[in-house]
Amino acid sequence: EVQVVESGGNFIQPGGSLRLSCAASGFTFSSCALSWVRQAPGKGLEWVSAITGSGVTTYYADSVKGRFTVSRDNSKNTVYLQMNSLRAEDTAVYYCAKDNCDYYYMDVWGRGTTVTVSS
Amino acid sequence: EIVMTQSPVTLSVSPGERATLSCRASQSVNSRLAWYQQKPGQAPRLLIHDASTRATGIPARFSGSGSGTEFTLTISSLQSEDFAVYYCQQYNNWPLTFGGGTKVEIK
Repeated sequence: EVQVVESGGNFIQPGGSLRLSCAASGFTFSSCALSWVRQAPGKGLEWVSAITGSGVTTYYADSVKGRFTVSRDNSKNTVYLQMNSLRAEDTAVYYCAKDNCDYYYMDVWGRGTTVTVSS
Repeated sequence: EIVMTQSPVTLSVSPGERATLSCRASQSVNSRLAWYQQKPGQAPRLLIHDASTRATGIPARFSGSGSGTEFTLTISSLQSEDFAVYYCQQYNNWPLTFGGGTKVEIK
């Protein structure tokens, strides 16, 4: 079964840092890109970042560029999202999603991990 | 950035009726358009990709159409489990972008 599982969400003060993890299984990990998508309370979906299967190329939404860094360890089948300089508006459920291995639509989603940024 | 606009925001439909949801892109995305369903407290689920291809396990009552800038998701006969929020997403250009969603509610 193809699966992705997020972890690392927490309550954090503005300006702080947090690292999310996404552990994947059930597919050839290094062949597929993964994305992070977030959903603020009561709001819609917002794509945050993506990383190609090799990890060579990364993409970011303007709202997080320069503050968030996506990376992956293909030996551990895990993707990370390092979030720095966190703001209240970063409060959301963060989903990890496996992209289709040819195109960037998300065919398998995790259950999400909650990040709350508040003083 | 390509802006995706979904309409209506809310759609009230009776069980068994047809639902038609629209998604418009601010510039052409060719056929690189996906639809997702999200129920309260759950992660989104892929329904349609490439504008009209149903994902694995998705019932035939869900169909997608369109290309370029205008897309439609049709649910031919709404079942109780179909009441949810639906999002479109373009993957033709970076950054990837989602529409604001259409909530399908029971009439």
